[in-house]
Amino acid sequence: AQKVTQAQTEISVVEKEDVTLDCVYETRDTTYYLFWYKQPPSGELVFLIRRNSFDEQNEISGRYSWNFQKSTSSFNFTITASQVVDSAVYFCALIHYGGSQGNLIFGKGTKLSVKP
Amino acid sequence: DVKVTQSSRYLVKRTGEKVFLECVQDMDHENMFWYRQDPGLGLRLIYFSYDVKMKEKGDIPEGYSVSREKKERFSLILESASTNQTSMYLCASSLDGLYEQYFGPGTRLTVT
Repeated sequence: AQKVTQAQTEISVVEKEDVTLDCVYETRDTTYYLFWYKQPPSGELVFLIRRNSFDEQNEISGRYSWNFQKSTSSFNFTITASQVVDSAVYFCALIHYGGSQGNLIFGKGTKLSVKP
Repeated sequence: DVKVTQSSRYLVKRTGEKVFLECVQDMDHENMFWYRQDPGLGLRLIYFSYDVKMKEKGDIPEGYSVSREKKERFSLILESASTNQTSMYLCASSLDGLYEQYFGPGTRLTVT
């Protein structure tokens, strides 16, 4: 069975701190895709990144970086020098190849609060 | 720019009413989805569609139906609204089954 676990329910940091959001997944498939989404207080989920299971290179986009490790089935997300605008709920998600067309499996989300 | 729109941000309906939630995407995406989001339960898939006039049940289809007559439009129908359908409803679309989904702003539905 496929599953995504985000063990951190809520995290609170002070502006300019670095913060890492953990994501652990379970799947029996060798081909799958992992995603991160951001849901700010306005409610709309915003797509951040998609990685396939064959690409373990870390990715950096500005203050955001992602660390994908197949050995530990983890796809962690780090925000460097956090800002108040980063306050949101962050979701990690998984699609496995060959499953239902696009059935994203979401974690329960981590609520990040960045205080000034 | 990618755009998914939903017909209402907030909606209040009475128990037993028939409710239509509309979703439109302008990206020529094949797949469209309806989720509901509830505190503590996360996002749950209600229905999805991978082609016009095609639909598949998600994890919680009971009490809902959908319609996709045109590629860009996917409607969620609550045949007889009940209070336990009070929730945030999110529509999404994707190019195909393995690509990222783009979400609309959501409709917060209250059934009284």
